[in-house]
Amino acid sequence: DAGVIQSPRHEVTEMGQEVTLRCKPISGHDYLFWYRQTMMRGLELLIYFNNNVPIDDSGMPEDRFSAKMPNASFSTLKIQPSEPRDSAVYFCASSLNGGADGYTFGSGTRLTVV
Amino acid sequence: QKEVEQNSGPLSVPEGAIASLNCTYSDRGSQSFFWYRQYSGKSPELIMFIYSNGDKEDGRFTAQLNKASQYVSLLIRDSQPSDSATYLCAVNMIAGGTSYGKLTFGQGTILTVHP
Repeated sequence: DAGVIQSPRHEVTEMGQEVTLRCKPISGHDYLFWYRQTMMRGLELLIYFNNNVPIDDSGMPEDRFSAKMPNASFSTLKIQPSEPRDSAVYFCASSLNGGADGYTFGSGTRLTVV
Repeated sequence: QKEVEQNSGPLSVPEGAIASLNCTYSDRGSQSFFWYRQYSGKSPELIMFIYSNGDKEDGRFTAQLNKASQYVSLLIRDSQPSDSATYLCAVNMIAGGTSYGKLTFGQGTILTVHP
């Protein structure tokens, strides 16, 4: 099992540009989560999906952020336009049983907006 | 009050000692509780989870849960330098069924085990 795969590992972009982060969950997992981690705010849940359907997007900071899950093996998190305050590590995680046994996290994407 | 609070640390213990990490949570309806370890520059990895009041042991790690006091802790016995990391407490907070699966994380406690 390759685990949760995220790409890219690092992204540096200029303010105002569109950024797309990608995630492939563990095969068979029916829940997918997007988290953001910063020193100031810790790990924050942005959005999660169950069977490809968004369940809770209350953590998405504003309309500049959007997430999709077109099929069971792929999800994207898009920021348009990006701002310096979006700089953070973005983690994708997946789980079975709604996370009753915890999540498995991907390696994360370190985003820097200059 | 934060939903999940951890002792801020950093916590420093000598090699071989017991490290004690604490976490409190605000929602009495919380059902399951998790401890994750995160090495610097890496992603969180699950160490243990606990559902029922009492202790749960796994090797050198023991999770303790007291739902009446809304308190969960992690003990690391015979601490090793390789245990040096940030430890994150996470709580599955249920609200009307719609948040099932949603974990809320504490800020983390930095643990340093010195030789």
